[in-house]
Amino acid sequence: QKEVEQDPGPLSVPEGAIVSLNCTYSNSAFQYFMWYRQYSRKGPELLMYTYSSGNKEDGRFTAQVDKSSKYISLFIRDSQPSDSATYLCATLGAGGTSYGKLTFGQGTILTVHP
Amino acid sequence: DTGVSQDPRHKITKRGQNVTFRCDPISEHNRLYWYRQTLGQGPEFLTYFQNEAQLEKSRLLSDRFSAERPKGSFSTLEIQRTEQGDSAMYLCASSLDDQTRAFFGQGTRLTVV
Repeated sequence: QKEVEQDPGPLSVPEGAIVSLNCTYSNSAFQYFMWYRQYSRKGPELLMYTYSSGNKEDGRFTAQVDKSSKYISLFIRDSQPSDSATYLCATLGAGGTSYGKLTFGQGTILTVHP
Repeated sequence: DTGVSQDPRHKITKRGQNVTFRCDPISEHNRLYWYRQTLGQGPEFLTYFQNEAQLEKSRLLSDRFSAERPKGSFSTLEIQRTEQGDSAMYLCASSLDDQTRAFFGQGTRLTVV
């Protein structure tokens, strides 16, 4: 079993829809949770990160972590065609400032059509 | 452009040849990471440096792989005796102390034929 599991999709939604992307993880030592966006043939770009459980909002994006169920979510409101990309969840161990390894999910391919 | 720079962007090589990739991190970043990403998968951790010290290596990094970061600036990743299974995107990232804010380069896409 992979440490971070993510449904690869693909997910196709109409413009303006609310998108929900999800991951589960197995290691309770993970304390930092990130979402990256990756356009085709580009490197991943950090969207946002959350420490421990709770919600974090940034514009149209909301990240949610539930440590009791080991569940990570990213919500995109009013989705736009420019949001079409692969979305990667990632986790980081408890020693965030000293432990160097990000563990990524498989990535979910999202297409927002006009 | 002051982001993470990787060179080359693409490399096609014959099986058995050696290849070397270069990564130039964001200038003030002391941490540098290498990841490998195959088609349809998320990046997998290979190794990481804090300044010039290589602090962790994944089991994925076989003895054919070696990474260096002389003087704590740019880094190189060398693959000796390449195999078809080495075909992947090799990503470099850098951060200042805290990997919650790691910035990735565009990657080097390696194809072994």
